[in-house]
Amino acid sequence: AQSVTQLGSHVSVSEGALVLLRCNYSSSVPPYLFWYVQYPNQGLQLLLKYTSAATLVKGINGFEAEFKKSETSFHLTKPSAHMSDAAEYFCAVSDTLDFGNEKLTFGTGTRLTIIP
Amino acid sequence: DTAVSQTPKYLVTQMGNDKSIKCEQNLGHDTMYWYKQDSKKFLKIMFSYNNKELIINETVPNRFSPKSPDKAHLNLHINSLELGDSAVYFCASSDISGGGGSSGYTFGSGTRLTVV
Repeated sequence: AQSVTQLGSHVSVSEGALVLLRCNYSSSVPPYLFWYVQYPNQGLQLLLKYTSAATLVKGINGFEAEFKKSETSFHLTKPSAHMSDAAEYFCAVSDTLDFGNEKLTFGTGTRLTIIP
Repeated sequence: DTAVSQTPKYLVTQMGNDKSIKCEQNLGHDTMYWYKQDSKKFLKIMFSYNNKELIINETVPNRFSPKSPDKAHLNLHINSLELGDSAVYFCASSDISGGGGSSGYTFGSGTRLTVV
């Protein structure tokens, strides 16, 4: 069974500071990993994904994440936080290669607050 | 054009009622999903359909019945609504061509169901 653990349900950073959101996964097969962002009262938007290509993945809005197999981690970073980054962030894993039998298993989310 | 659209956006209803949520995607994706997000923001898959065929039924009460008239539509009908059904329901779709759904999932903006 696959699972995702997001350390820290709430993270606060100052505007302009480094953003680091932690995600660790458990999967019996090589995983696909995703980060999604959810703004208030909106759906989930894909930030970036890892699908066994480059281990450093660049996404939208200046975010990136690095897949580290030895640490089973996929932490999300952004060098300089912006007020518009305030949102809920979800890490997710998908580990099946069967067409149509895929499902995303989500972490419990991290609420990012930006301090002016 | 909205890629994955859900209606209604908000739904308030009394216990015991039957209600439906509709979802349509114009991305040409083969697979569609229903996810439930509870009050603690935890997201969990309910169903997936691939080309109108039910693939995943994640131990959801049989009061919930998905229906896919074609691969662009996936509706969710809920009978005898209970207080515990209150949640945000997200529809999603994915393009699994190329293997493993590696293109990620596109989510709708959600339907907030409140049962009173």
